[in-house]
Amino acid sequence: DTGVSQDPRHKITKRGQNVTFRCDPISEHNRLYWYRQTLGQGPEFLTYFQNEAQLEKSRLLSDRFSAERPKGSFSTLEIQRTEQGDSAMYLCASSLQWDLEAFFGQGTRLTVV
Amino acid sequence: DQQVKQNSPSLSVQEGRISILNCDYTNSMFDYFLWYKKYPAEGPTFLISISSIKDKNEDGRFTVFLNKSAKHLSLHIVPSQPGDSAVYFCAAVLNDYKLSFGAGTTVTVRA
Repeated sequence: DTGVSQDPRHKITKRGQNVTFRCDPISEHNRLYWYRQTLGQGPEFLTYFQNEAQLEKSRLLSDRFSAERPKGSFSTLEIQRTEQGDSAMYLCASSLQWDLEAFFGQGTRLTVV
Repeated sequence: DQQVKQNSPSLSVQEGRISILNCDYTNSMFDYFLWYKKYPAEGPTFLISISSIKDKNEDGRFTVFLNKSAKHLSLHIVPSQPGDSAVYFCAAVLNDYKLSFGAGTTVTVRA
């Protein structure tokens, strides 16, 4: 399978705990994106990497959120001190630099209890 | 601030008939538009796109129309098939990489 892979698919955590999600993009894609989707809404942009450089962070991404892409391949999204409002589907996508079509993973569904 | 709006949350259509999904946007800087399809428990998958320099793009059963003056685009699916039952998202591209999505339209194709 050469698509975008996300792990885990589901995560239930207690409020206040830290969580980390992983995304493996399509191997030749140098752009990687994180989006968040809540019930009844479309995905919302969180952040974007070109290779290992994080080029934009949405104001939706509070200080409790951090994303990395250390070697320009896989990426991690960490949420510290989770809150119930963080419950959502976290989607990762990747694309080639000159291609506006982004390919999405299946997402990680986070539930904060 | 929702810059891309899909005002119809759901659409029911009979198999074989045409499905028409609508999308409106407010930001005139958007220069590329895409439609994604999403099944439950899966990520969105790309369906069809259109550049702002065109007014129509066709791919098999799917056609996207763009009316820049009205800031409106639509997706036509004809004929509709049961496998088309899914959530459809309209998305617009800003700054060459950032997608702004609408809230989605759930399409149900009745046999």
